Amino acid sequence: SAVISQKPSRDICQRGTSLTIQCQVDSQVTMMFWYRQQPGQSLTLIATANQGSEATYESGFVIDKFPISRPNLTFSTLTVSNMSPEDSSIYLCSVDPFMGAGTEAFFGQGTRLTVV
Amino acid sequence: AQSVAQPEDQVNVAEGNPLTVKCTYSVSGNPYLFWYVQYPNRGLQFLLKYITGDNLVKGSYGFEAEFNKSQTSFHLKKPSALVSDSALYFCAVRDSNAGNNRKLIWGLGTSLAVNP
Repeated sequence: SAVISQKPSRDICQRGTSLTIQCQVDSQVTMMFWYRQQPGQSLTLIATANQGSEATYESGFVIDKFPISRPNLTFSTLTVSNMSPEDSSIYLCSVDPFMGAGTEAFFGQGTRLTVV
Repeated sequence: AQSVAQPEDQVNVAEGNPLTVKCTYSVSGNPYLFWYVQYPNRGLQFLLKYITGDNLVKGSYGFEAEFNKSQTSFHLKKPSALVSDSALYFCAVRDSNAGNNRKLIWGLGTSLAVNP
């Protein structure tokens, strides 16, 4: 399994500002993902963080709003830009070691963001 | 289209009684199926998976799940529920035909409440 450290665990931010969330993995992993989750709700995939290239965004999410970096195989950041109260959510980092077709994904503890 | 359905938003069960959390899926190829649990204010924890082989898979914390291809189901079960099992449970599927597309398709989640 992979151990994932996600920071910060929570934050309260002013609207119009940006927050960068960090995801550090204890081993090299092929694939990293960023999700958004409203409390008690399901997961919505924001993007796949690709090492050495631009992230692949899902429909409804754009790079200007959610820029992602993936400088190496153990680290990624997600920035929530120009925040509004609608961005208040839990943001989750997930990694897929891709050690076989059926490998499970692992998750960080999440970042609970409140925008005021 | 690929999809996962968890038909029950909430399941209530008395402590010591068996529990079932339902999941059905739709994929074009063979499914890789996963169950995750999320405790309050925590990230998702992997419980168990079905890739191939025996239809009954056993996982963490005494949980098991049965793959039923004809019914396209993968219900999560536990013979005797504990109050500490109260959490949000997610079913997810990955299509074996997806190649290097490692995205998981998620159900909406089922909130399990185990009453003392």
